[in-house]
Amino acid sequence: EAGVAQSPRYKIIEKRQSVAFWCNPISGHATLYWYQQILGQGPKLLIQFQNNGVVDDSQLPKDRFSAERLKGVDSTLKIQPAKLEDSAVYLCASSLGSASGVYEQYFGPGTRLTVT
Amino acid sequence: GDSVTQMEGPVTLSEEAFLTINCTYTATGYPSLFWYVQYPGEGLQLLLKATKADDKGSNKGFEATYRKETTSFHLEKGSVQVSDSAVYFCARRSGNTGKLIFGQGTTLQVKP
Repeated sequence: EAGVAQSPRYKIIEKRQSVAFWCNPISGHATLYWYQQILGQGPKLLIQFQNNGVVDDSQLPKDRFSAERLKGVDSTLKIQPAKLEDSAVYLCASSLGSASGVYEQYFGPGTRLTVT
Repeated sequence: GDSVTQMEGPVTLSEEAFLTINCTYTATGYPSLFWYVQYPGEGLQLLLKATKADDKGSNKGFEATYRKETTSFHLEKGSVQVSDSAVYFCARRSGNTGKLIFGQGTTLQVKP
């Protein structure tokens, strides 16, 4: 079974530029998560989708971050414009569902973003 | 709010030593608890989990017991190997949407 795919693996941009990350979840997984992992910290949820609807985006900085999950499969996370503090690893995860305590989340390898 | 606190690393051990990585969580209800491992250059992988009080999760020689009295979920392994070198994250479920709250991670380095 193929895992969660993410691209690109690495990205370096200057502040105020735009960047987009792509995630392809495991086939059949209804729930998709985007986490931000700043160096030395644990991952923090940015946004969660159930199929193509948003379940939780309470910690997404909506003035600069946006995400979509068209057709309930692939997802794109965008940052526009980027700030220095956005330097982090962006992790995508997917699960069959989201009922509490039941479904395991499978993580992709992440995209390491450096903003200079 | 919901939070998870882990012992600070790095933890450096010799091969075959006993490992303990402490983890405590804030207690709003009885959340499911997890340990994830991140090997160099790879994504997070679920190591073990426990879904209710007094449950013991185990996998690959690692164990952790859900202690509601002390709100803890410490990770243990009796004899570590060099291949166990990685970053370990403790996490708890938050609410009923599947969202995970992670600790800051603990780096384990095992020397031959």
